[in-house]
Amino acid sequence: DQQVKQNSPSLSVQEGRISILNCDYTNSMFDYFLWYKKYPAEGPTFLISISSIKDKNEDGRFTVFLNKSAKHLSLHIVPSQPGDSAVYFCAASGLYNFNKFYFGSGTKLNVKP
Amino acid sequence: DAGVTQSPTHLIKTRGQHVTLRCSPISGHKSVSWYQQVLGQGPQFIFQYYEKEERGRGNFPDRFSARQFPNYSSELNVNALLLGDSALYLCASSLWGGSNQPQHFGDGTRLSIL
Repeated sequence: DQQVKQNSPSLSVQEGRISILNCDYTNSMFDYFLWYKKYPAEGPTFLISISSIKDKNEDGRFTVFLNKSAKHLSLHIVPSQPGDSAVYFCAASGLYNFNKFYFGSGTKLNVKP
Repeated sequence: DAGVTQSPTHLIKTRGQHVTLRCSPISGHKSVSWYQQVLGQGPQFIFQYYEKEERGRGNFPDRFSARQFPNYSSELNVNALLLGDSALYLCASSLWGGSNQPQHFGDGTRLSIL
């Protein structure tokens, strides 16, 4: 039962442009969402989070948008840099399940110089 | 400060054997979670522990078990290994395991079953 979905397995963007990574979820009880970045041979690194009481959260070049009615979130990276090339995972959890996170299958971002 | 550390980094076992994976959380973190990641998929939740108590369990068979020690480190045990258990096993820690806390991951243990 895939409760969190990332429908784009890969994305290619030119350096300096915007990268937009998308994520959809099905469980309306989810109220906390995160994005992780993963390089090969390393564990996922926490990037940014958003609570369901907000619709936007920014941290430097990274902004996460949450549309609760559409059960959709997105990660914007502006400007994109070659070092951003990695696999990005979105994850979600709900108040009822403590720290148990459901992950999407990931989007591989390639930022071309 | 040290992040989440996992050992070993790689492990090769044969079907039917048993394996123990170890995890040390970030200093001050009291909650540890275990995830399994197979190729091409996102991490899948196995267990969460807080203060040595199991708080949550994912959809994994009883061959999988875990425990947390008084120093908050944790072990994941898998018995009667199957080929399908080949995966990257990730450990994550958080302060107290609340639903609105980010988890911080180690680099994982790559388990290969022959």
